[in-house]
Amino acid sequence: SSVLTQPQSLSVAPGNTARITCEENNLGNKSVHWYQQRPGQAPLLVIFYENDRPSGIPARFSGSHSGSTATLTITRVEAGDEADYYCQVWDNSHDHHWIFGGGTRLTVL
Amino acid sequence: EVQLVESGGGLVKPGGSLRLSCAASGFTFSLYTMNWVRQAPGKGLEWVASISGSGYVHYAESVKGRLTISRDNAQTSLFLQMNSLRPEDTAVYYCARDAYWADYWGQGTLVTVSS
Repeated sequence: SSVLTQPQSLSVAPGNTARITCEENNLGNKSVHWYQQRPGQAPLLVIFYENDRPSGIPARFSGSHSGSTATLTITRVEAGDEADYYCQVWDNSHDHHWIFGGGTRLTVL
Repeated sequence: EVQLVESGGGLVKPGGSLRLSCAASGFTFSLYTMNWVRQAPGKGLEWVASISGSGYVHYAESVKGRLTISRDNAQTSLFLQMNSLRPEDTAVYYCARDAYWADYWGQGTLVTVSS
């Protein structure tokens, strides 16, 4: 079954750029989606279909995908961006439906 | 406005049962696949089960035979019947609307399995 690998943590100073990666051997033929989860809150979709943003998500959030690696990029990082970020794919094999990465804790210094 | 509101969580002993509900509003419920996703304390997100608008179901291997997803399209509600519960089922359970991604989530309901 699919395993999405994310770095456990990332620290970025305010105003700088955060890049969170998501890796999997067969990621090339899958669409990757990204969620933000602030402490004590439900996850929030921030990027779908690689680089589309739901209404209300700032343009500072963007996604990209090359081969086995997808990347969530947050420019001009703010204190409010401090959260856990999860990548997700839809996987039709072995009865899996949604596969989530292990999550990356973004700390704003 | 899309709203998903879970209920039914609580403390249950190992081997016990619990039924979670998710009340949906603000969209045509019957047209969407719905999912349950859980998050153990301090851990990441884990997909649990999905059900299409017509009732076709999928389950994660870890819950097959113990958890049953169902829906009532007339009442715009999603359910998760949880039997033979184990301590490792302790988690916040979220319902989420499916668009190949989770475009809307409920606030979650906590299930604690402990003696």
